[in-house]
Amino acid sequence: QQQVKQSPQSLIVQKGGISIINCAYENTAFDYFPWYQQFPGKGPALLIAIRPDVSEKKEGRFTISFNKSAKQFSLHIMDSQPGDSATYFCAASIAGNTPLVFGKGTRLSVIA
Amino acid sequence: DVKVTQSSRYLVKRTGEKVFLECVQDMDHENMFWYRQDPGLGLRLIYFSYDVKMKEKGDIPEGYSVSREKKERFSLILESASTNQTSMYLCASSYPGGGNTIYFGEGSWLTVV
Repeated sequence: QQQVKQSPQSLIVQKGGISIINCAYENTAFDYFPWYQQFPGKGPALLIAIRPDVSEKKEGRFTISFNKSAKQFSLHIMDSQPGDSATYFCAASIAGNTPLVFGKGTRLSVIA
Repeated sequence: DVKVTQSSRYLVKRTGEKVFLECVQDMDHENMFWYRQDPGLGLRLIYFSYDVKMKEKGDIPEGYSVSREKKERFSLILESASTNQTSMYLCASSYPGGGNTIYFGEGSWLTVV
């Protein structure tokens, strides 16, 4: 059973455009929602994270929007650049010492 | 900077061989994890450990075992490698707690022929 559903599987965006990746979850006990970025040949690295007590978190060109009632959260990349081309994973975890549950990933290509 | 080192980046093994994937972290993290990454399937948790000599099964433990004899080292063992275990394996570590950053190694590409 997939606990975090991520879409789309792949995404092509023009340079300067907005990239949007969505995730949905079922378990209302989740209380930590990070996004990880992975470049080819590298391990994933934390990009940005949010807790459900806020609806939005922004770090530079990256924004997480969180909708607790809909059990959805999304990553927005403003002014997308070719250097943003990577695979993005959403994830979730429950309070306490439990492992992250990852979505299946989105391969983003930003073309000039 | 946190460093999670996977000693073998690329391996080719024969079916039935015993395979060891080694992982070392230098941040004194209590938690360590082994994930498997396959196209279209994302990151799937194989095993994790919250302390030395402790291990817990993840979502796909079949065909794998682990060893954690020292805090900084977490090994993944394929007792008898099979072709369906051809994949990229990612080791990770973190401090305890649900909201702590997980740090990943660069991955070990395993091909079983």
